Amino acid sequence: DVKVTQSSRYLVKRTGEKVFLECVQDMDHENMFWYRQDPGLGLRLIYFSYDVKMKEKGDIPEGYSVSREKKERFSLILESASTNQTSMYLCASSSGTGSYGYTFGSGTRLTVV
Amino acid sequence: GQQLNQSPQSMFIQEGEDVSMNCTSSSIFNTWLWYKQEPGEGPVLLIALYKAGELTSNGRLTAQFGITRKDSFLNISASIPSDVGIYFCAGQKGEETSGSRLTFGEGTQLTVNP
Repeated sequence: DVKVTQSSRYLVKRTGEKVFLECVQDMDHENMFWYRQDPGLGLRLIYFSYDVKMKEKGDIPEGYSVSREKKERFSLILESASTNQTSMYLCASSSGTGSYGYTFGSGTRLTVV
Repeated sequence: GQQLNQSPQSMFIQEGEDVSMNCTSSSIFNTWLWYKQEPGEGPVLLIALYKAGELTSNGRLTAQFGITRKDSFLNISASIPSDVGIYFCAGQKGEETSGSRLTFGEGTQLTVNP
């Protein structure tokens, strides 16, 4: 069964900590995405990547960075976590032009205290 | 930023009722998709639409790609308790510069009372 796996379902971190959210896909997809989901705001794109070592900013990149050293892995980094980054984070991947949509992971609920 | 307006934001219905939700945009999309997110999980693709005017069904779900390519709707017939979740529309422009990037609506939270 093909899947996108996010390393943690729940995380609690302290303000100022550096936080790594990991995402791995086993579908050999070229494209990978990081979204955050907040009530009433839907899914907002943070960063995405079309290829290894390639990254592009989404709609809300401030306070985040990403790393894609291997095709199957896309990491989201919170350089210095803040309470307003408390959210559900969703990773997704898609192939080629992506016209068949994304496959999402189950999400990581991050709480910054 | 967000370009899709999805309505309604939430729905509370009785089991057995039909449900309708829609998504509109100020710009044209070449592909429309509908996702469902159950509590504690990521969104899962329900239906994909690739052609203006296309009407596609998946069991009790029916979705249509608007003729203008600026809107889409999703209907659920004879709702059951397991239909509970958040439904998202998504559009893809298919332009070379944006590649496979999807734009999502804000979601419709569906509650079904037994």
